[in-house]
Amino acid sequence: AQKVTQAQTEISVVEKEDVTLDCVYETRDTTYYLFWYKQPPSGELVFLIRRNSFDEQNEISGRYSWNFQKSTSSFNFTITASQVVDSAVYFCALSSTGGGNKLTFGTGTQLKVEL
Amino acid sequence: DAGVIQSPRHEVTEMGQEVTLRCKPISGHNSLFWYRQTMMRGLELLIYFNNNVPIDDSGMPEDRFSAKMPNASFSTLKIQPSEPRDSAVYFCASSLIGGWDTGELFFGEGSRLTVL
Repeated sequence: AQKVTQAQTEISVVEKEDVTLDCVYETRDTTYYLFWYKQPPSGELVFLIRRNSFDEQNEISGRYSWNFQKSTSSFNFTITASQVVDSAVYFCALSSTGGGNKLTFGTGTQLKVEL
Repeated sequence: DAGVIQSPRHEVTEMGQEVTLRCKPISGHNSLFWYRQTMMRGLELLIYFNNNVPIDDSGMPEDRFSAKMPNASFSTLKIQPSEPRDSAVYFCASSLIGGWDTGELFFGEGSRLTVL
């Protein structure tokens, strides 16, 4: 069975601080995909990134960066110089090629960025 | 390009009534998913279709729930009869799956259901 754990339920930071959201996953599949989605207060789910299990290169996109480590089954997400607009719930998710693309989501981390 | 379109955005109904949620996936996508989000259970997959065929409905709570996909551009999720514990946000998502590749899911804005 697949499982995604986001141990941080809620994080509060002050604007311009860096913040890292943790994600630990469990799967028996050798080929799988990891995702991050953002859910702002308006409620929609916004895709942020997808990584496959064969690509452990870290990725940076503007203020966002992701650290994928197979050795620790982790896929952490860092926001640099956080802004109020980053306030949202962030979900980590996992799918496998044998699973037909269905995502198993973590419970989410509520990020609050305050002035 | 239009995203995944869901209707209604909000639905308030009374216990025992039938509820139908609708979804139009992104044109060209071959997979469609229905998810439910609640505070208690988070985001859980109810059912997904591949090329209009239901592949996995193990997440459907009970017989009161049914989903159909009569064609590539339309799907419904029906609850009959509805109960207060069905109150949740229901998301539809679509994706393009080809070979071994797992594309990202694009989500609709969700349908917020309240059953009184």
